Amino acid sequence: NAGVMQNPRHLVRRRGQEARLRCSPMKGHSHVYWYRQLPEEGLKFMVYLQKENIIDESGMPKERFSAEFPKEGPSILRIQQVVRGDSAAYFCASSVQRGLEQFFGPGTRLTVL
Amino acid sequence: RKEVEQDPGPFNVPEGATVAFNCTYSNSASQSFFWYRQDCRKEPKLLMSVYSSGNEDGRFTAQLNRASQYISLLIRDSKLSDSATYLCVVTVNNAGNMLTFGGGTRLMVKP
Repeated sequence: NAGVMQNPRHLVRRRGQEARLRCSPMKGHSHVYWYRQLPEEGLKFMVYLQKENIIDESGMPKERFSAEFPKEGPSILRIQQVVRGDSAAYFCASSVQRGLEQFFGPGTRLTVL
Repeated sequence: RKEVEQDPGPFNVPEGATVAFNCTYSNSASQSFFWYRQDCRKEPKLLMSVYSSGNEDGRFTAQLNRASQYISLLIRDSKLSDSATYLCVVTVNNAGNMLTFGGGTRLMVKP
């Protein structure tokens, strides 16, 4: 049973470009969470999704960030017009039910030049 | 005030030592409590859940004091492989059930 998969593992973008981060949850998991870890800081919740629905996006910046989890395919975290402050590790986690253990993927390290 | 506060360390201890980490949380509505471990540049991994009655898993013992909003982790007989950052994590029973992480406490076990 493969774990949570994220790709790409490393992503380099120039200021103003778009970044698309993908997350495939563990098999059988329909709950996906995105977290961001800025350099030398703890993880911060961004958004919680179930298939085709955003349940809680209280941690998402108001502009430039969006997330989706379509019926088919991986969850996508999209960052438009990236800025240097977006450089961070973005982790995805999945769970089989709300409130149960969240399993983390290896993360995508975004570097904005 | 941060929602979950931890001493960032680092804690430098010799192999075989006993080390204790503490954590405080600010939201009295917090429902679930965990310790995660994060190795350098890797994803967090669940170490153990923390229950009001306290719980033990091998060399690791976790305690929760709801009245003081305080969580602890004790590691006995430290191994070199215990070197990592230990993250105190809480959840609030809201619609999201998202994890709220402390900043982590770094442990370095030396031979």
